[in-house]
Amino acid sequence: EPEVTQTPSHQVTQMGQEVILRCVPISNHLYFYWYRQILGQKVEFLVSFYNNEISEKSEIFDDQFSVERPDGSNFTLKIRSTKLEDSAMYFCASSPYTETGTRTFGSGTRLTVV
Amino acid sequence: TQLLEQSPQFLSIQEGENLTVYCNSSSVFSSLQWYRQEPGEGPVLLVTVVTGGEVKKLKRLTFQFGDARKDSSLHITAAQPGDTGLYLCAGAPTGANNLFFGTGTRLTVIP
Repeated sequence: EPEVTQTPSHQVTQMGQEVILRCVPISNHLYFYWYRQILGQKVEFLVSFYNNEISEKSEIFDDQFSVERPDGSNFTLKIRSTKLEDSAMYFCASSPYTETGTRTFGSGTRLTVV
Repeated sequence: TQLLEQSPQFLSIQEGENLTVYCNSSSVFSSLQWYRQEPGEGPVLLVTVVTGGEVKKLKRLTFQFGDARKDSSLHITAAQPGDTGLYLCAGAPTGANNLFFGTGTRLTVIP
């Protein structure tokens, strides 16, 4: 069964450093998303991406965040200068047709900012 | 922010018992999904409901979308330890293209 792949599974970084979280969505999907889940809290939407541009973003997704689809397969989330409160599980998801269609989630990257 | 409240937040029951989890909002949703999440994993889709009043069954799980498309319920019959996990509802509000997650219900089924 096709799956969304995220790397790394766990990343530890120092406060102020830049991190790039990587995702390989399902190959025939057109919509891509990043969500985050702070430990013990609910899953929060960050950004959606379609046709090589951001289609929607939340208030969490400020200037410190950016997304990119550098080639035909990868979808990345960059945090420019990490803060302690960026520590969370970051989930990538993709969906095939419409933005409200079925989303398939990756297993996540646990980001720990120290 | 579209708020989806789930109740109960925590539920611990004995194997074989039935249970119902509720997902409520003041907003109308064009579709609503239920996910299950295991520790350290991403949410896994269980079902999508799109029509008010719709009922879908997945083995021992029954999902219902409210007539007004503002709420949903998940009913599990004869719960098993393998049903243990975090159950999340997520809705796509009418007129918006995104998916907002509920607060989650953590279910523990005791053998």
